[in-house]
Amino acid sequence: EDQVTQSPEALRLQEGESSSLNCSYTVSGLRGLFWYRQDPGKGPEFLFTLYSAGEEKEKERLKATLTKKESFLHITAPKPEDSATYLCAVVDNFNKFYFGSGTKLNVKP
Amino acid sequence: DTGVSQDPRHKITKRGQNVTFRCDPISEHNRLYWYRQTLGQGPEFLTYFQNEAQLEKSRLLSDRFSAERPKGSFSTLEIQRTEQGDSAMYLCASSQGLVYEQYFGPGTRLTVT
Repeated sequence: EDQVTQSPEALRLQEGESSSLNCSYTVSGLRGLFWYRQDPGKGPEFLFTLYSAGEEKEKERLKATLTKKESFLHITAPKPEDSATYLCAVVDNFNKFYFGSGTKLNVKP
Repeated sequence: DTGVSQDPRHKITKRGQNVTFRCDPISEHNRLYWYRQTLGQGPEFLTYFQNEAQLEKSRLLSDRFSAERPKGSFSTLEIQRTEQGDSAMYLCASSQGLVYEQYFGPGTRLTVT
């Protein structure tokens, strides 16, 4: 069965302390992997799409990478406003999306 | 275009009542998705439409749930005979053609008492 697992469940960082979030997946026919940011009480906000192993995307302090089995979201010198839950999702050959449970990031000043 | 909108934002209902939610996608987007999200979990896929055709339904979508997208524009999600386990955030998202990036609405939070 298609599955997405994110780790860690929660991460607490000091402002400026870089780290990475992990998303591992098993899916029949990966058509794309997505990263979203979700603030409390709001819908997820789209960040990145990755389509093939080796691909990388960057946006401000965030960088997403993809291998055949997992994706990483690297956060460089985070700020308190980066605090949120980061969700990973994959879409399979049947156009069905599967989300992980997310990593709740807390960046302290 | 201001993005995906959902109405209402919050709904409190008593067990056994029927509820209906509305989603208005980004105007040029032909795909529309419904998800359910409970606290501490990621969104769970419920169903999706391409234009007015409902192409996929999750087995999570019991007989009490029905979704429509008349004329391929807005969509409604109805839950009949609500149960306490239906309490969740119901999210709608839309995307365009072969591009898979989904843009989410703010969600409708349902509380069943």
